[in-house]
Amino acid sequence: KAGVTQTPRYLIKTRGQQVTLSCSPISGHRSVSWYQQTPGQGLQFLFEYFSETQRNKGNFPGRFSGRQFSNSRSEMNVSTLELGDSALYLCASSLASDNSPLHFGNGTRLTVT
Amino acid sequence: EDQVTQSPEALRLQEGESSSLNCSYTVSGLRGLFWYRQDPGKGPEFLFTLYSAGEEKEKERLKATLTKKESFLHITAPKPEDSATYLCAVRPGANSKLTFGKGITLSVRP
Repeated sequence: KAGVTQTPRYLIKTRGQQVTLSCSPISGHRSVSWYQQTPGQGLQFLFEYFSETQRNKGNFPGRFSGRQFSNSRSEMNVSTLELGDSALYLCASSLASDNSPLHFGNGTRLTVT
Repeated sequence: EDQVTQSPEALRLQEGESSSLNCSYTVSGLRGLFWYRQDPGKGPEFLFTLYSAGEEKEKERLKATLTKKESFLHITAPKPEDSATYLCAVRPGANSKLTFGKGITLSVRP
């Protein structure tokens, strides 16, 4: 069974640009969550989508947004990039049941210069 | 606010030297506690879910236990391949987000 796939693996952008990251969940998983991971803050929750609806949202500015498609694939977008947005962005999928574990992809490493 | 604290931040062991990693939590309720392992350059890999105090789960050299305020990940006779960052996360309620601790970096010397 294929795992969670995130593309691209690496991105380099300059301040002020925008970026779109993509996530394909495990087949049959309907929930997709996004996390930002930095050395100082650890894993910080961005948002979760279930059946194309945002179910939970973290404490990030409105520059961070996401969406989920009918095939459960998800994208997240960051507009007006700042240096502090440099991080590993992780996507995770889970089954519909409310206490299923998250299964993570290997992330997209974003560097903002 | 839900909080998860892991200690120590880093742990260095000799191969075969057993030890325990701690995860303490303060949440409004506990739907589940999760342990993950993360290798450099990769996403976290799911290890265990614990649901209630007194529960234990085992996998190879790892054993996770849960009390009302903390969880322990016991590593018995570790090997160098057990070197990784171990993350703990809690889900306070139904359909709520997972809140992660900052992780414990384990290094096992041969």
